[in-house]
Amino acid sequence: GAVVSQHPSWVICKSGTSVKIECRSLDFQATTMFWYRQFPKQSLMLMATSNEGSKATYEQGVEKDKFLINHASLTLSTLTVTSAHPEDSSFYICSATQPNTEAFFGQGTRLTVV
Amino acid sequence: AQKITQTQPGMFVQEKEAVTLDCTYDTSDPSYGLFWYKQPSSGEMIFLIYQGSYDQQNATEGRYSLNFQKARKSANLVISASQLGDSAMYFCAMRERSGGSYIPTFGRGTSLIVHP
Repeated sequence: GAVVSQHPSWVICKSGTSVKIECRSLDFQATTMFWYRQFPKQSLMLMATSNEGSKATYEQGVEKDKFLINHASLTLSTLTVTSAHPEDSSFYICSATQPNTEAFFGQGTRLTVV
Repeated sequence: AQKITQTQPGMFVQEKEAVTLDCTYDTSDPSYGLFWYKQPSSGEMIFLIYQGSYDQQNATEGRYSLNFQKARKSANLVISASQLGDSAMYFCAMRERSGGSYIPTFGRGTSLIVHP
């Protein structure tokens, strides 16, 4: 299957700082990327849908100004958690897809805000 | 309303036995796709199997098969000859069209434990 690389795999940051997470599709051009958040022992909660070259579409309840998503190229999308707080600690995972194909996932990023 | 329902929070199976993980879905879109993913404790999501709504045959991938019953809107995953490495969370997902894009929706997951 296709390879999606997510970096970093884990990060610890201080409260009030910003953290950037990258999602790269290594061997295909991803027209759409999805960002998910997952709490322990729960399902993936879709945060936003990102199409290359356009603004991300955020799900209801997700703060656009807090979770900045950029999809500048067909192989890279970034999620920036701004002014992080302990309640933002979670597992964030991206997936990349082309039309009518399955979504391939990155390895996920475990964010801990202290 | 929940679009993907996985009613089994946890399942236990003995090594080498088969196990069925349940999944029902709800959609009014005639064109949709159903997926199963495996998530081990490391967190990565591993694609297992795909079934398109127009596919006539049940999908199979090695030890994984999808029991697709369209009229009942169910897409159960069958794992044959379970192995210890199959212990993980399993998520059923559906992709349907939403505003021009295909948005995947995930169920709550089933935790599978394979014991010797």
